[in-house]
Amino acid sequence: SQQGEEDPQALSIQEGENATMNCSYKTSINNLQWYRQNSGRGLVHLILIRSNEREKHSGRLRVTLDTSKKSSSLLITASRAADTASYFCATGPTGGFKTIFGAGTRLFVKA
Amino acid sequence: DAGVIQSPRHEVTEMGQEVTLRCKPISGHDYLFWYRQTMMRGLELLIYFNNNVPIDDSGMPEDRFSAKMPNASFSTLKIQPSEPRDSAVYFCASSRQIQETQYFGPGTRLLVL
Repeated sequence: SQQGEEDPQALSIQEGENATMNCSYKTSINNLQWYRQNSGRGLVHLILIRSNEREKHSGRLRVTLDTSKKSSSLLITASRAADTASYFCATGPTGGFKTIFGAGTRLFVKA
Repeated sequence: DAGVIQSPRHEVTEMGQEVTLRCKPISGHDYLFWYRQTMMRGLELLIYFNNNVPIDDSGMPEDRFSAKMPNASFSTLKIQPSEPRDSAVYFCASSRQIQETQYFGPGTRLLVL
């Protein structure tokens, strides 16, 4: 079964708007990562947040982690058409086990 | 660094043929992962290696699939015999540690007719 599940499955917004994607997971984690996948390409790492961190920023990206709710969110501010991609969360379970990827959110940014 | 290298980028073959996918991980990365991605099933982890040793092959769909890592700079994923349902994009990824950032290759798009 998947550890991380993204919500929504798909999101369509206008350029300039903010995009928020959520990830929920089931078991305790060491860290949580977000990846982006452009059509026809491999996944690209965006940001990693550890279990003792609550928020991280990278450029227009903001990631939050709430371990009590077992959830994370990825916020992309001032979206651009180039942000159109699928976004995956990936959780690193406690115990050092393999990272598990969710099913992804498909984001479409209309110019 | 050139990143993770995969070959071929595209493969079209007929059912029953043997298919070999190749991967060169990033130098210094101790972990190598093979994934399969389809619209129906999403991204699936097939197998991963640590220091060239297979650690978890629970995602390998059946005996037709096999993977090897003869040295730190090369891995293969073989399908024999191939079937149309094996059509997918196969990704190789590598990382320094098991739960750290994974660097993905461009993928091999496989079509089995």
